[in-house]
Amino acid sequence: QSVLTQPPSASGTPGQRVAISCSGSSSNIGSNGVAWYQQLPGTAPKLLIHGDTQRPSGVPDRFSGSKSGTSASLAISGLQSEDEADYYCVTWDDSLNGWVFGGGTKLTVL
Amino acid sequence: EVQLVESGGGLVQPGGSLRLSCAASGFTFSNHWMHWVRQAPGKGLVWVSNIKTDGSRTNYAGSVKGRFTISRDNAKSTLYLQMNSLRAEDTAVYYCTNGLSSSSVNWGRGTLVTVSS
Repeated sequence: QSVLTQPPSASGTPGQRVAISCSGSSSNIGSNGVAWYQQLPGTAPKLLIHGDTQRPSGVPDRFSGSKSGTSASLAISGLQSEDEADYYCVTWDDSLNGWVFGGGTKLTVL
Repeated sequence: EVQLVESGGGLVQPGGSLRLSCAASGFTFSNHWMHWVRQAPGKGLVWVSNIKTDGSRTNYAGSVKGRFTISRDNAKSTLYLQMNSLRAEDTAVYYCTNGLSSSSVNWGRGTLVTVSS
């Protein structure tokens, strides 16, 4: 059972916009920045978003992050087949004194 | 080019010990908090531990506290994870990373630890 709750799966067709949610509490998302990772099969995770909304250089602007209260969201617009991957949210938890990941969302491009 | 190369994984019996290493290059190692994150086969990412730039502060996930010890050698740009009293549920790929949420984050390719009799 992960501290941060993500839907186990999401799907969309090429060109569509998809959003993945990440729900937490006041001790984690509510008080700390959220990062999002993409993990392709058999590879190390890749940072997509940090500080709730910031994209590292090299990440396409099709990927965007947002946060409201104790929930965060990753949106992917103009969905492409290469976006098919697992996506994880992560943040610091003040109560646990540690970083916590969401359980991950498997995105399927139909 | 930033490189993080983990080593030291392998097969170990329950109750045994292993020491993982992560050799870093291409960035100023001593300026970064360093982390270990693991991923059990077919499962999600789980943060394990982190250590402050000078090694003066460490944090651990509850599942490994008291069994694992993180350390670093800034002179050698190397991160370590000493794992004792290993359990089957510790079986995972272990990644080292130089951050989790900042403008520049790099991960190694991981090293597989299998705990089995």
